[in-house]
Amino acid sequence: GDSVTQMEGPVTLSEEACLTINCTYTATGYPSLFWYVQYPGEGLQLLLKATKADDKGSNKGFEATYRKETTSFHLEKGSVQVSDSAVYFCALSLNQAGTALIFGKGTTLSVSS
Amino acid sequence: DTGVSQDPRHKITKRGQNVTFRCDPISEHNRLYWYRQTLGQGPEFLTYFQNEAQLEKSRLLSDRFSAERPKGSFSTLEIQRTEQGDSAMYLCASSLGGLAGNTGELFFGEGSRLTVL
Repeated sequence: GDSVTQMEGPVTLSEEACLTINCTYTATGYPSLFWYVQYPGEGLQLLLKATKADDKGSNKGFEATYRKETTSFHLEKGSVQVSDSAVYFCALSLNQAGTALIFGKGTTLSVSS
Repeated sequence: DTGVSQDPRHKITKRGQNVTFRCDPISEHNRLYWYRQTLGQGPEFLTYFQNEAQLEKSRLLSDRFSAERPKGSFSTLEIQRTEQGDSAMYLCASSLGGLAGNTGELFFGEGSRLTVL
């Protein structure tokens, strides 16, 4: 079935370090791909998305490129900040009317100063 | 505040009791989703409404679970005869959907945490 697999955490980094969180997917058809973020004490919110192969989503210094050949959507940031500490979820949508998002298990990122 | 709101935020109950959660979506959103999230897992889809119609239910939604959205605005999720395995965070999300399908941008509430003793 359709699924998302992301690297297990926690990921612990120092401020200004580079970040990569791996995400791969299995899906029939051509899904849209997303990264959602959950900051402590807050609800999930959309970080970025890409709707077709080779698209790059970006927001708040984070980037992810939709790679159809490797079925991946890795999240990257060149220099993390303490405020980036959160749980990050990779997700896919099958682009059919009403179909819900399918989420990965989440990766906890902890950034220290 | 015009975000998705959920009530109550926390609920502790004894096994066998019934509980009900309420979700108020963003007012102009026609789609409403319920998800369940357990510790260390991502959100798992439970059910989805477009306006007042419940269009999809996950096999995770047992007969003890029922959801309604009677006027196409707020929604309730009721769990009857709760079991310890029902302990989880119940998330509500809403979106503005069109004929082209789900763009994927869901707006989530902060969730209702259920603990069944």
